[in-house]
Amino acid sequence: QKEVEQDPGPLSVPEGAIVSLNCTYSNSAFQYFMWYRQYSRKGPELLMYTYSSGNKEDGRFTAQVDKSSKYISLFIRDSQPSDSATYLCAMNPNWANNLFFGTGTRLTVIP
Amino acid sequence: EAQVTQNPRYLITVTGKKLTVTCSQNMNHEYMSWYRQDPGLGLRQIYYSMNVEVTDKGDVPEGYKVSRKEKRNFPLILESPSPNQTSLYFCASRGQGAAFFGQGTRLTVV
Repeated sequence: QKEVEQDPGPLSVPEGAIVSLNCTYSNSAFQYFMWYRQYSRKGPELLMYTYSSGNKEDGRFTAQVDKSSKYISLFIRDSQPSDSATYLCAMNPNWANNLFFGTGTRLTVIP
Repeated sequence: EAQVTQNPRYLITVTGKKLTVTCSQNMNHEYMSWYRQDPGLGLRQIYYSMNVEVTDKGDVPEGYKVSRKEKRNFPLILESPSPNQTSLYFCASRGQGAAFFGQGTRLTVV
């Protein structure tokens, strides 16, 4: 079993839709959770960084962590064609440990 | 501007010809790492370094070498590249938080 599981998609939605991206994990020691966005032929860029359980909002993006279910989500409101990218989740037990990545979900927002 | 810089961005080489991909960061981060990204496999860690002169193997270290003589630089060395090392490579650096990635090096070994 992989440490982090992520549905690869692809996921296609119309412009303006609410998008939900998810990851599950098996290691209960994970405390730091990240979402990265990766455009084609570019490096991953950090979108959201959260510690422990709860919600964090940044503009149209909301990250949720449910440690009891070992489940994290990224919500994108009012999705735009510029949101079309691959979204990667990542996590680790503490800042000194290696990051564990999901394989990424490819999202296309159709105008 | 905080950044991780990799060079070259694109490289085509022949089997067995030694090559080095450079990586430099300007954020004074102690932790640096190299990943390869392949379709369906996601990001896989090759090597990482917790500090100067401290390096360790990641998940897929075979066929690669690294060195960390200075805090800002972390080159990836392929002594004898083979076609199965054709991939997209990313360098990343990290302080006490999330990782920052370079723009990637697309390597093709023929």
